[in-house]
Amino acid sequence: NAGVIQTPRHKVTGKGQEATLWCEPISGHSAVFWYRQTIVQGLEFLTYFRNQAPIDDSGMPKERFSAQMPNQSHSTLKIQSTQPQDSAVYLCASSLEGQGVGDTQYFGPGTRLLVL
Amino acid sequence: AQKVTQTQTSISVVEKTTVTMDCVYETRDSSYFLFWYKQTASGEIVFLIRQDSYKKENATVGHYSLNFQKPKSSIGLIITATQIEDSAVYFCAMREGGAGNTGKLIFGLGTTLQVQP
Repeated sequence: NAGVIQTPRHKVTGKGQEATLWCEPISGHSAVFWYRQTIVQGLEFLTYFRNQAPIDDSGMPKERFSAQMPNQSHSTLKIQSTQPQDSAVYLCASSLEGQGVGDTQYFGPGTRLLVL
Repeated sequence: AQKVTQTQTSISVVEKTTVTMDCVYETRDSSYFLFWYKQTASGEIVFLIRQDSYKKENATVGHYSLNFQKPKSSIGLIITATQIEDSAVYFCAMREGGAGNTGKLIFGLGTTLQVQP
């Protein structure tokens, strides 16, 4: 089985441009999570979907960041007007969530975003 | 407040020896889940092993095992017979399971393991 797929693997944008990151969860997984990894902050939770519905976006910066899950096979994270401080590795993870909230999350390879 | 702390920034061992990585956590929930992940040099984050808070037996998977000390809020990762390819950054993570919790993982800052020949 394929793991979590993320595209693109690398993205370079200019300050003020928009960046859209894509995630395809493991087939059959009903939950999708987005995290961000930086040297300074480490791994930080951004947002979570279950059965395509947004459940928790408490980690999302209030401005410029948005996430969607239009169908069960993909989710997008959009950053408008990118800033240099948005440079990070953005990771998507998925889990079964069949019985509750304890299921293991499996990570994709990440998208390395560099904002110049 | 939820918090996961890994005090060891880096560890260096000789291959075929045993290494223990420490992790302590803070939570108010009586139900929670603890995970260890490994991040390879390529950046890939790989799930290794988990411990559910209600289970008393320490989890074991291959040459990975856990030392779960619930009264101390501690979940150590033990790697036996280390191999060169175990060199990576190891992350401890917690997911709370109480009502209203959404399942997000809280990560420690990681421990870099270097296994030398």
